[in-house]
Amino acid sequence: QKEVEQDPGPLSVPEGAIVSLNCTYSNSAFQYFMWYRQYSRKGPELLMYTYSSGNKEDGRFTAQVDKSSKYISLFIRDSQPSDSATYLCATPTSQGAQKLVFGQGTRLTINP
Amino acid sequence: KAGVTQTPRYLIKTRGQQVTLSCSPISGHRSVSWYQQTPGQGLQFLFEYFSETQRNKGNFPGRFSGRQFSNSRSEMNVSTLELGDSALYLCASSFSSGGIWTGTDTQYFGPGTRLTVL
Repeated sequence: QKEVEQDPGPLSVPEGAIVSLNCTYSNSAFQYFMWYRQYSRKGPELLMYTYSSGNKEDGRFTAQVDKSSKYISLFIRDSQPSDSATYLCATPTSQGAQKLVFGQGTRLTINP
Repeated sequence: KAGVTQTPRYLIKTRGQQVTLSCSPISGHRSVSWYQQTPGQGLQFLFEYFSETQRNKGNFPGRFSGRQFSNSRSEMNVSTLELGDSALYLCASSFSSGGIWTGTDTQYFGPGTRLTVL
């Protein structure tokens, strides 16, 4: 079983829709969770990170962690064509803060 | 502030050859991590260097190695290339406090080096 699982999609939605991207993780010791966005031919860029359970909001983006079910989500409100990218969830492992384990990534397309 | 730079951006090699990739971190960042990204396996951690020492290592064979220089620039080397080594190799830098993850451990990625092995 992979430490972090993510549905690779692809996911295609119309502009303006609310998008929900999800990951599950296996190790209850994981505490920090990140969401990265990767455009084609670019490196991943950090969107936001959350600690433990709860929600964190940044503009149109909301990250949510449910530690009881080991489930993390990213919601995008009022989605725009410029949000079309691959979204990756990640968490640092117990072996070190810099050793991130990533989900497979979900390829998202927002259609105008 | 300049971002993470990686050279070269594209490489084509043949099986059995070796390759060296270079990464220049963001100024002031002392930690450099390397990742391999493939369609099948996704992003996988290779290793991390901090103050010229390898601090963490992923589950890759010994053909994959790296080093870090006193200016924090890093190189990774792959010897005896195999077809399966074709991938996007990403470098990430962070200020890094070490230990438990904090905001200063945020990793900033470069654009990657696309390696094709024929």
